[in-house]
Amino acid sequence: QVQLQESGPGLVKPSETLSLTCTVSGGSVTSNKHYWSWIRQPPGKGLEWIGYISYTGSTNYNPSLKSRVTMSLDTSKNHFSLNLYSVTAADTAMYYCARDQAQFDPWGQGTLVTVSS
Amino acid sequence: DIQMTQSPSTLSASIGDRVIISCRASQSVSSWLAWYQQKPNKAPKLLIYKTSTLQSGVPSRFRGSGSGTFFSLTINNLQPDDFATYYCQQYATYRTFGQGTKVEV
Repeated sequence: QVQLQESGPGLVKPSETLSLTCTVSGGSVTSNKHYWSWIRQPPGKGLEWIGYISYTGSTNYNPSLKSRVTMSLDTSKNHFSLNLYSVTAADTAMYYCARDQAQFDPWGQGTLVTVSS
Repeated sequence: DIQMTQSPSTLSASIGDRVIISCRASQSVSSWLAWYQQKPNKAPKLLIYKTSTLQSGVPSRFRGSGSGTFFSLTINNLQPDDFATYYCQQYATYRTFGQGTKVEV
């Protein structure tokens, strides 16, 4: 079955760019017309949807983050990526990727990103 | 933006109890609502989608209901494995989560 795995730096400096990749195994990022989302969770807090990228590469972002987010799809590596620009301490969170069928399933295990100098 | 509000924020329960968690949307989301269970240091797990459809492998003691702006998750005969935090999520417009309900002993 489909499995997802996040990867990327665990520490990012304020004002810099947070870049993460989600590698998909057990299926193709372009198969079955799937969508792929990023979701984050600050320590001890709730879940926030960041946005999704479709199998065609079209995107849809949370309006509250839209000005700082881009997502991309790499079909040759079967992964999709997140860039979050101009980060602050408020962007410190566990970042999850997930297959988006409107509901999210499955999820990656998550990767903790801390924003600190 | 559609806001999702869950109640209660924390719920104390015992094994064998029936537990009901509420989720209210700031505007109608039709039946486009899902529920997740999250345990500490784990990714959320999909329990229910489209208000009441049980995800494969999820025990039948979990039941979802509602429509429009008011939804509920019922857990019958609470089991030790059910102590966790539960989130609702709408997908009518963008995607938005509720703030979570922690079910504790």
